Amino acid sequence: QVQLVESGGGLVQPGGSLRLSCAASGFTFSDSYMTWIRQAPGKGLEWLSMISGPGSVMYGADSVKGRFTISRDNAKNSLFLQMTSLRAEDTAVYFCARVKAAAAISWWFDSWGQGVLVTVSS
Amino acid sequence: SYVLTQPPSVSVAPGEPARITCGGKKIGTASVHWYQQKPGQAPVLVIYSDSDRPSGIHERFSGSNSGNTATLSISRVEVGDEADYYCQVWDSRSDHVVFGGGTKLTVL
Repeated sequence: QVQLVESGGGLVQPGGSLRLSCAASGFTFSDSYMTWIRQAPGKGLEWLSMISGPGSVMYGADSVKGRFTISRDNAKNSLFLQMTSLRAEDTAVYFCARVKAAAAISWWFDSWGQGVLVTVSS
Repeated sequence: SYVLTQPPSVSVAPGEPARITCGGKKIGTASVHWYQQKPGQAPVLVIYSDSDRPSGIHERFSGSNSGNTATLSISRVEVGDEADYYCQVWDSRSDHVVFGGGTKLTVL
């Protein structure tokens, strides 16, 4: 079965950096778009970024453009999110998810990791 | 940017039907997906492509989409359905994923 396990979260000071990882198993990772989504405490879901199977196509939210970078290592079945210039408002649980698509005009997320908490505070 | 509007809360008695709406300009021309999230858990896909159910999702969950409103319907609501529900679309104009603000379903 599909399994996604995030890691790399924790406490970081404002202005700092953090790299999240998502280990995937149970499916052909290199064939799948993947995405990062976050949820601030008590708030709704916020999409961050998405990457194609080969890693050649990426989409990203304006709110984190220039600060967050999505990448992947298909040899290691791993997805990453490099976060820089972190702010208090980046405090959230970060989820990775597998993307499913219909004719490249509709995308949804059929499997999610359990999430990892990132806290930005001095 | 495209905006999806959901009611913050919906309350329903056990055994009654529940409807959660998701409003957006001409949303009927998009494909809408729905997620259920229980406290402390990751979201779970319950409806995709307006009205399709993933395997393992009970047939009590259904979806529709037309005009400016998409709707998630739950027939015969159970206590275990109490959760936050989010709608989601792909905005092809901006190449962005958009989530609704979420609706808390309370089973009285």
